[in-house]
Amino acid sequence: GEDVEQSLFLSVREGDSSVINCTYTDSSSTYLYWYKQEPGAGLQLLTYIFSNMDMKQDQRLTVLLNKKDKHLSLRIADTQTGDSAIYFCAGQAGNTGKLIFGQGTTLQVKP
Amino acid sequence: EAGVVQSPRYKIIEKKQPVAFWCNPISGHNTLYWYLQNLGQGPELLIRYENEEAVDDSQLPKDRFSAERLKGVDSTLKIQPAELGDSAVYLCASSLEGGVTEAFFGQGTRLTVV
Repeated sequence: GEDVEQSLFLSVREGDSSVINCTYTDSSSTYLYWYKQEPGAGLQLLTYIFSNMDMKQDQRLTVLLNKKDKHLSLRIADTQTGDSAIYFCAGQAGNTGKLIFGQGTTLQVKP
Repeated sequence: EAGVVQSPRYKIIEKKQPVAFWCNPISGHNTLYWYLQNLGQGPELLIRYENEEAVDDSQLPKDRFSAERLKGVDSTLKIQPAELGDSAVYLCASSLEGGVTEAFFGQGTRLTVV
């Protein structure tokens, strides 16, 4: 089955770019997602990328997908203190709607 | 438009007691999911409903966990009896349909079993 791995922690300074990385095992994942979770809150979908795309940009967010290496990254430009949260990468198992999540990357933004 | 609503937000119970969680999905969303999120981990699917039918419950520990979605709208997840290891956040999500569509999550119910 699908396995998704992420680094656990990233610390950046306000205004810098943040890059959060993720690797996955199931090459049949049709879509790959990035979710944000703030303390005590549910998950908020930030963006997603279809498996036949290499890159997707949405305002300050850029998603890069390397299918050969099964590597996904999320770049946040001009990181703000409000971006401090846990970021989850998730792959979709086949066409079921079931999401397989990584363990999350805690992003700390220092003023 | 209201999002996915879950209640209660927090629940503390003693071990061996029963507990139930409730979820009201976004209006019109046919697919409903219950996820379990342990501390420091990503969510893991417990059960997925398409309307009132449980189409994937392979990860649900059926000896103590049960779920229902009567009339294909609201859903309840029950644990009986609860164990210490059940302490976690229980997340409900819904989407228009299964397959590749955006899933919206509720705020979750944080369960503490003492």
